[in-house]
Amino acid sequence: RKEVEQDPGPFNVPEGATVAFNCTYSNSASQSFFWYRQDCRKEPKLLMSVYSSGNEDGRFTAQLNRASQYISLLIRDSKLSDSATYLCVAPSNSGYALNFGKGTSLLVTP
Amino acid sequence: EPEVTQTPSHQVTQMGQEVILRCVPISNHLYFYWYRQILGQKVEFLVSFYNNEISEKSEIFDDQFSVERPDGSNFTLKIRSTKLEDSAMYFCASSRELSSPLHFGNGTRLTVT
Repeated sequence: RKEVEQDPGPFNVPEGATVAFNCTYSNSASQSFFWYRQDCRKEPKLLMSVYSSGNEDGRFTAQLNRASQYISLLIRDSKLSDSATYLCVAPSNSGYALNFGKGTSLLVTP
Repeated sequence: EPEVTQTPSHQVTQMGQEVILRCVPISNHLYFYWYRQILGQKVEFLVSFYNNEISEKSEIFDDQFSVERPDGSNFTLKIRSTKLEDSAMYFCASSRELSSPLHFGNGTRLTVT
């Protein structure tokens, strides 16, 4: 299994829709995970940290399933400004690096 | 809010030349990283650095790459003899602890001609 795998999309959704992204990771000992957002030609920016079963921040909810080694990100009431690439991040097998998934592209349309 | 700063924002160099990319991590952070992103591709880990030594490096980080923390604030990535395929965006990042999220700089776009 690759260290971090994501569905690349693209996801094209209308404004107001709910959309979910999935991610699987290989290091079963990992304790901390992250979702980042990346706009075109910009640096990744932290969206959410996931340290236990899940985390919620406004319209964004992240969930962690340790048994299945699976992380998800749910975006409710999508806005045009949510259009970006969403990156799933998990520790490497050694734990001394964070590995990024390939990213899931989201386009929210009017 | 403290930021990671990177210079230059864009570097153009000829194949075979040496380049040094510079970063100033957030001052109370202890872990430092370099990543690269080739246009249209994923963010790839290059190297992590803690307590003045490399903690982990990827297969990409071969003998042509080196990192240094020459003083208390700067963290540099040197590419000794650049190749065309080194053209990418190079991101520096830092974190306070091993399990903390990474804070990224704006990146240096390296173009090798």
